[in-house]
This record gives sequence, structure tokens and C-alpha cells, in this order.
Amino acid sequence: KQEVTQIPAALSVPEGENLVLNCSFTDSAIYNLQWFRQDPGKGLTSLLLIQSSQREQTSGRLNASLDKSSGRSTLYIAASQPGDSATYLCAVNTNAGKSTFGDGTTLTVKP
Amino acid sequence: SAVISQKPSRDICQRGTSLTIQCQVDSQVTMMFWYRQQPGQSLTLIATANQGSEATYESGFVIDKFPISRPNLTFSTLTVSNMSPEDSSIYLCSAWGERETQYFGPGTRLLVL
Repeated sequence: KQEVTQIPAALSVPEGENLVLNCSFTDSAIYNLQWFRQDPGKGLTSLLLIQSSQREQTSGRLNASLDKSSGRSTLYIAASQPGDSATYLCAVNTNAGKSTFGDGTTLTVKP
Repeated sequence: SAVISQKPSRDICQRGTSLTIQCQVDSQVTMMFWYRQQPGQSLTLIATANQGSEATYESGFVIDKFPISRPNLTFSTLTVSNMSPEDSSIYLCSAWGERETQYFGPGTRLLVL
């Protein structure tokens, strides 16, 4: 059974810092991996999708990497802003579309 | 990208009653799913909503408690039956869109008294 772990559970940084969120999974037979953002009381917003054959994806200040063999992904956020404050969720997907989610990292960026 | 709407956005219900949540996608999608997010926790997959056939439930979830319909490629419903306070959660609908990206609805916040 796939298990997804996210470290750290919470992170507080001053504005402008670069930061890394970590996601690890136990079964490397994944189809793709997706990073989401969830604001309090809101649904999920897709940030980046990495196919199993890819090493990384970039969107603006966000960069996600994937090392399938070691069961790890990282989300790098450059030059953090207070608006980046949210919970970030990592989801590992099978080719049947089923997702296993980590518990998330709650990020607070202080002005 | 697929845009997903859910109704109702929130509800407060009495124990023993049932609530049906609707999920509408703005384009035809092959796969639709229902998730639950209990307070302070991450998302757990309830079931895959199959078009034209019975839903496929994950371990710990049963059809009698969470009946699901999917009459076409853009619409699905989830019913939470015979509710108890333990059913208080956010229920989210999702769909796989183009490039196999998963999109989520805004969620339905359910409080059972």
C-alpha cells in the first residue's frame, strides 16, 4: 500500500527566503506526482504535475523535482512571499487516477 | 483545465439524515473521484465514480453509507447516508483532465450535529 510522507509538517520563514518542501513515497511504481496548494477553508489548487518519466517541472517561482527510484520529490519555492502561505500537499497518482496524499506542509511566510 | 463546481458548498445536518452532494465538471472527463478530508487531516479517497456502472470503493468505505451516481461524463453525486457527527468533514470531488492533471472542486463542508 502506498504511503506518502511530507516533511516538515509546518514551516515558518521570513519573506524572501528560498525554501524546500519534501515528499517521500514508499512504492516507486507511480504514474505521476502532483503538488497542490490548499488555502484555509478552500479546495485544492494544482501547482505542478511531474510524470514518472520526468525529473522536474517549473512554474514561475516553483520548481518540483522527482526521483522515482528513491521515492522522493521536492518542491522548491524561490523568494517566498506572504501570499505563499498555505498548506502544500503532495499526491502520488496511479495510472487508474487514484491519488494517495501526504499530510501536507503548512507554510507561513512572515512579512 | 477542467473547472469543477460542487453543491452545496456547506451544510449543517442532523444525525440520522442523509445529504446528497453534486459535482459538475465543465468538460467531459473519463475519471471522477470522491475524497474526504476530516478536520486537520489530509485527503482520503472514498471511491472512483464510474460512468454507467457501480462505483469502486476504497477499503473502509461502503456503498450503503456512501452511494454514488455518475449518469454521464460530466456529473456525479455522493450521498452521505444516516449521518453521525463522525461524518463531519470536507467532501471533495475530483476529475482527471487533460495531461492527466487532477482537478478538484471547492469542496462541501459538512457539519453533523
